[in-house]
Amino acid sequence: DAGVTQSPTHLIKTRGQHVTLRCSPISGHKSVSWYQQVLGQGPQFIFQYYEKEERGRGNFPDRFSARQFPNYSSELNVNALLLGDSALYLCASSFNYYNQPQHFGDGTRLSIL
Amino acid sequence: DAKTTQPNSMESNEEEPVHLPCNHSTISGTDYIHWYRQLPSQGPEYVIHGLTSNVNNRMASLAIAEDRKSSTLILHRATLRDAAVYYCILRAPNYGGSQGNLIFGKGTKLSVKP
Repeated sequence: DAGVTQSPTHLIKTRGQHVTLRCSPISGHKSVSWYQQVLGQGPQFIFQYYEKEERGRGNFPDRFSARQFPNYSSELNVNALLLGDSALYLCASSFNYYNQPQHFGDGTRLSIL
Repeated sequence: DAKTTQPNSMESNEEEPVHLPCNHSTISGTDYIHWYRQLPSQGPEYVIHGLTSNVNNRMASLAIAEDRKSSTLILHRATLRDAAVYYCILRAPNYGGSQGNLIFGKGTKLSVKP
């Protein structure tokens, strides 16, 4: 079975631009979470969606937004990119949103110039 | 959220057992102890989780102290592929709640020598 897939794998943007990152969960998983991982740190929680509804939001500015589609895939959008947004963006899926292990993709490496 | 404390780094020899400690003195009675690991250039990978009793699976064993204030992830025979950052995470069951996110610390970087 296919794992969590994320696209693109790498992306280079400049300050002020907008970016959309995409995630396809494992088949049968209804929850998708997004995390940001800067170099040398553990992943930090951004959003969680379950059945197309936002179930949780981390401490990130409003420039970050996300949505989940009827097929449970998800997009993370970041507006007005800053140099500090350079990071690995990870998507994780799970069957439910509260007690099942999360399965991670290998992430999108976003570099801001 | 309850926090965990792990050593920054540990070294092991290939084919020897590895014991990765985690302290969580403020754990609540309903928090589960989860372990994830992250290999270089990959996303985190679920390893194991438990509540009170010791747990075993094909990847590792989890030993939980009787007072639940500490736990140990045991890799029975380390291989070079086990070199990774290991994260110990407390997770509330949060049934019907609004958030199921994982709170990662810095983890323990495990190096395995051939």
